[in-house]
Amino acid sequence: DGGITQSPKYLFRKEGQNVTLSCEQNLNHDAMYWYRQDPGQGLRLIYYSQIVNDFQKGDIAEGYSVSREKKESFPLTVTSAQKNPTAFYLCASRSTGIDYGYTFGSGTRLTVV
Amino acid sequence: DQQVKQNSPSLSVQEGRISILNCDYTNSMFDYFLWYKKYPAEGPTFLISISSIKDKNEDGRFTVFLNKSAKHLSLHIVPSQPGDSAVYFCAANRGSNTGKLIFGQGTTLQVKP
Repeated sequence: DGGITQSPKYLFRKEGQNVTLSCEQNLNHDAMYWYRQDPGQGLRLIYYSQIVNDFQKGDIAEGYSVSREKKESFPLTVTSAQKNPTAFYLCASRSTGIDYGYTFGSGTRLTVV
Repeated sequence: DQQVKQNSPSLSVQEGRISILNCDYTNSMFDYFLWYKKYPAEGPTFLISISSIKDKNEDGRFTVFLNKSAKHLSLHIVPSQPGDSAVYFCAANRGSNTGKLIFGQGTTLQVKP
């Protein structure tokens, strides 16, 4: 079955450490997105990529970095520069040229300890 | 600057009755609107969408209404079922081909048996 996989589901990080969240899709979708969910704030866009080897900052990109070396993969690194990294992170993908609906992964809960 | 707003954080409805979830937006350039449903610790799943050229779209128990002059959309669920209990997000697209969606804060729906 085609889908989008995020791993791990739960992640704990010590302050000052970088951590990378994985996102893999086998839907052959061109575009991929990273969102962050905080209570009462909905989903906010961190980074997005419409094509391999290209990506753009979203609304809250500070303290994050991404890469898009393969169509299937769009990992997100939460760096030590991110002031408040504890959140639920969602990856999504979309096939360009169709409607605007995303397919979301099941999310990664990151907690800084 | 919250361009998409869901002003009701929560809604409680009796099973079998109608659930109405509301969403307001400020940007007149939005041309496509979507509703997503989200269970705890899972990614959102697409529910229903509507283009700005329409004022209503129906899919089974779910109907979305769009009032462009009021910059308001609503999701009606009839009849409501306990399995509908979840967080509902409305989202809007800015009319670009980037596919970036702007999400509201979400409304938690509880359907009581």
